[in-house]
Amino acid sequence: DQQVKQNSPSLSVQEGRISILNCDYTNSMFDYFLWYKKYPAEGPTFLISISSIKDKNEDGRFTVFLNKSAKHLSLHIVPSQPGDSAVYFCAARRRNSSASKIIFGSGTRLSIRP
Amino acid sequence: GAVVSQHPSWVICKSGTSVKIECRSLDFQATTMFWYRQFPKQSLMLMATSNEGSKATYEQGVEKDKFLINHASLTLSTLTVTSAHPEDSSFYICSPAQWDQETQYFGPGTRLLVL
Repeated sequence: DQQVKQNSPSLSVQEGRISILNCDYTNSMFDYFLWYKKYPAEGPTFLISISSIKDKNEDGRFTVFLNKSAKHLSLHIVPSQPGDSAVYFCAARRRNSSASKIIFGSGTRLSIRP
Repeated sequence: GAVVSQHPSWVICKSGTSVKIECRSLDFQATTMFWYRQFPKQSLMLMATSNEGSKATYEQGVEKDKFLINHASLTLSTLTVTSAHPEDSSFYICSPAQWDQETQYFGPGTRLLVL
C-alpha cells in the first residue's frame, strides 16, 4: 500500500523554465510534508517542507503547494538550473508524541536540459 | 541542517559474512534513529526505528535477527547485517532524529555489495 505516490518517474525541463514535480498521498493523518533531493550514492538532502495548516511555502527558487482536499502537493522550481538535475522524493509524516517516521514516494528523476 | 556521518561509505564483502555500519549524529543528540535502505531505482524504504536505550521496532518484512540495530548512545547507532547474502546488497541510510523534530536529516549512506 503506497501511501505517498509520485506518478511521474521522470521529467525533462529546459534550463530557465519551471519544473513542477507532483505528489499524491492517501493517508489523511499525514500533517507534514517534505521534499528531498538525492544524487546517486548519496543521502537525501532536505529541500523544503510544509505543514498541513498551510497551503504554500516558498524558499528561494523552491515553492511547495499543498492541496489538502485533493491530497496533493507539488514542488515548483523556477528558474530551473542544470544543478537541479537529480531525483526528487516527496515524503510525508504523521506527527505524534515521538519522532515520527517519514514515508517516501518513489521519486521523480528531473533532468534539466540546456 | 544536521550533520550526520556514516561509516563505511561503501563495503564489499563475501556472502555469509557480517557487516557493521555506523551512524553518528555529530551536532545533536538523537533520541531516535531511523534506518532506511534503497535498492537500485527504487524508493527509500524504512527498515527499523530505534529509540536510545530500547529495542528497535522493525517494519514488516524486515528480519530483526538479520539486521541488528544498536542505539546505545544519543550520538551513535549501528546496523549489523548478519550473514549477508547478495540480495542484501543495497544502499543503507540512517536518519537520526529528536523528539518532535520537524525536519528529518539523513546520513550520506553506505553502499553494500555482497558477492
